[in-house]
Amino acid sequence: DAMVIQNPRYQVTQFGKPVTLSCSQTLNHNVMYWYQQKSSQAPKLLFHYYDKDFNNEADTPDNFQSRRPNTSFCFLDIRSPGLGDAAMYLCATSRDLGTSGTSRQFFGPGTRLTVL
Amino acid sequence: AQSVAQPEDQVNVAEGNPLTVKCTYSVSGNPYLFWYVQYPNRGLQFLLKYITGDNLVKGSYGFEAEFNKSQTSFHLKKPSALVSDSALYFCAVRDIKGNTPLVFGKGTRLSVIA
Repeated sequence: DAMVIQNPRYQVTQFGKPVTLSCSQTLNHNVMYWYQQKSSQAPKLLFHYYDKDFNNEADTPDNFQSRRPNTSFCFLDIRSPGLGDAAMYLCATSRDLGTSGTSRQFFGPGTRLTVL
Repeated sequence: AQSVAQPEDQVNVAEGNPLTVKCTYSVSGNPYLFWYVQYPNRGLQFLLKYITGDNLVKGSYGFEAEFNKSQTSFHLKKPSALVSDSALYFCAVRDIKGNTPLVFGKGTRLSVIA
């Protein structure tokens, strides 16, 4: 049973045309993350939500925004995609960020974004 | 600041031979350590983690990893490799102190040759 779902799996957009990627979870986890992963590189954390608290990584471009309307859903908005934004975008969840090991992350299958 | 190093971009091993994928880490306090595997066009799948306790951790698909505090290492091992183990492997760490997300290494591509 899918626990972290990402839609769509493949997204094609045009240079400068806003695009939204979707993530949902059935785990009722407090934390949701968005990562950008370029070919054969480490996932790069863009931001994460702890419940409704938004935490942006210092080097995440302003072009990337996120929304979490409720516990289950989190969206990644790219306001003006450039060619350099073509990548796999991974959503992940964890129960919390605590010290009991419950920070294990569950990943979705990813959305591959192509920018034409 | 926390960081992870995976010194090998690529590891090749013959099927049936033991495999090792290396990982070293740096944290200011004590680490939580993880290994994830990624198959093509898929998300990351959890393999195993070290939180505390025994230094040898056993995980999914016959993989294990040994935490070595003096060498700040957490190498992934498997006694007998399968062709189906071919994938991209990521080591990740977070400091036990504070509420910080995981930091991933750059990944090591494992190729198991029949």
